Amino acid sequence: DAKTTQPTSMDCAEGRAANLPCNHSTISGNEYVYWYRQIHSQGPQYIIHGLKNNETNEMASLIITEDRKSSTLILPHATLRDTAVYYCIVRVGGATNKLIFGTGTLLAVQP
Amino acid sequence: GAVVSQHPSRVICKSGTSVKIECRSLDFQATTMFWYRQFPKKSLMLMATSNEGSKATYEQGVEKDKFLINHASLTLSTLTVTSAHPEDSSFYICSAREWTSYEQYFGPGTRLTVT
Repeated sequence: DAKTTQPTSMDCAEGRAANLPCNHSTISGNEYVYWYRQIHSQGPQYIIHGLKNNETNEMASLIITEDRKSSTLILPHATLRDTAVYYCIVRVGGATNKLIFGTGTLLAVQP
Repeated sequence: GAVVSQHPSRVICKSGTSVKIECRSLDFQATTMFWYRQFPKKSLMLMATSNEGSKATYEQGVEKDKFLINHASLTLSTLTVTSAHPEDSSFYICSAREWTSYEQYFGPGTRLTVT
């Protein structure tokens, strides 16, 4: 299983863009990069995923480097409600498609 | 759409008793459901994968006789913590994989406290 490395914590000012990095240097060619977040005492919430192209949805943008060894999740205008632990996950292939969570990044959005 | 519920949201039980937690996919069918546990300030740890109509697959180190999983229908999986002890106190979270896609949707979690 490809492993991911994320900073333990980050701060961001409210209204500014939050850029969360993730390293996944051992990713395989057919493995996707997924991002979830978990607000305290809640279940994880899906944010976005991608294979090799950059992706954007109503929540965030995902930038994947050309060699696919790292990616960045961008929250364009962070709000206090975006304070959460953000998990970058490389999806295991196969029929069960397990999601294995790493330690994640605690993003604290400051007023 | 893609809502997963868990019941109960919180439960307190006495040591030695068994507790059942339900996970339901409300608006989609899930051939596969996953069970996680999470200790305070820690990440989610995958416990087992349950497939509708077959036995669950447990991750290494998870006792299958202690954590009984049943996935009897395409919308319901249950986790029973048998003979619970205080060290089983944790946040239990399920996820359900929609049968036509790879996407997983998570439930809100169940806080178990064993006294």
